[in-house]
Amino acid sequence: ILNVEQSPQSLHVQEGDSTNFTCSFPSSNFYALHWYRWETAKSPEALFVMTLNGDEKKKGRISATLNTKEGYSYLYIKGSQPEDSATYLCAFPNFGNEKLTFGTGTRLTIIP
Amino acid sequence: GAVVSQHPSRVICKSGTSVKIECRSLDFQATTMFWYRQFPKQSLMLMATSNEGSKATYEQGVEKDKFLINHASLTLSTLTVTSAHPEDSSFYICSARPGSKGDQPQHFGDGTRLSIL
Repeated sequence: ILNVEQSPQSLHVQEGDSTNFTCSFPSSNFYALHWYRWETAKSPEALFVMTLNGDEKKKGRISATLNTKEGYSYLYIKGSQPEDSATYLCAFPNFGNEKLTFGTGTRLTIIP
Repeated sequence: GAVVSQHPSRVICKSGTSVKIECRSLDFQATTMFWYRQFPKQSLMLMATSNEGSKATYEQGVEKDKFLINHASLTLSTLTVTSAHPEDSSFYICSARPGSKGDQPQHFGDGTRLSIL
């Protein structure tokens, strides 16, 4: 059983502030690391799939970094907006194949 | 692109009823679909991997006779909760992926909230 952990579990951020949270995963046999955003009453949306150590990906105000040697990824949100309120999930494929093991998520609430 | 449709979104039914949930990939073909269950305050737990034209692969602890999965085409997988009981009440969500590798994102349906009375 793979251990994928996210912290913090929940986060309240003032609108306009920047924030970040963490996903830690097994560093051995790394294949890929997924980030998803799950807004209330919607389906989870894929943000990034990261595969290379040191990789940094960006989508608008959201970016993510990856350290495969130490087994962690950071998700950053710059200038938070109310529409960023969601649960952010990271997921790790089992042994490079189909199945994903999900973390418990970070629930982000942006305070207007 | 990459839209997955899941329905129904909510089901309320009596104990003993069988409930079928459909998961469709609308604009791509999915050789593999996944069925997850989410318990309150927990993450998504994979129940089974559904492969087109073959038997589903169930995760440890998931009863295959209880949760019947059929993946009859490249765009449709169904999950049937047979003779549902209150303990089966949960949030079920499917996902689909165009390819077969773990470095490709999964695309999710909106989920089904199942309540068994």
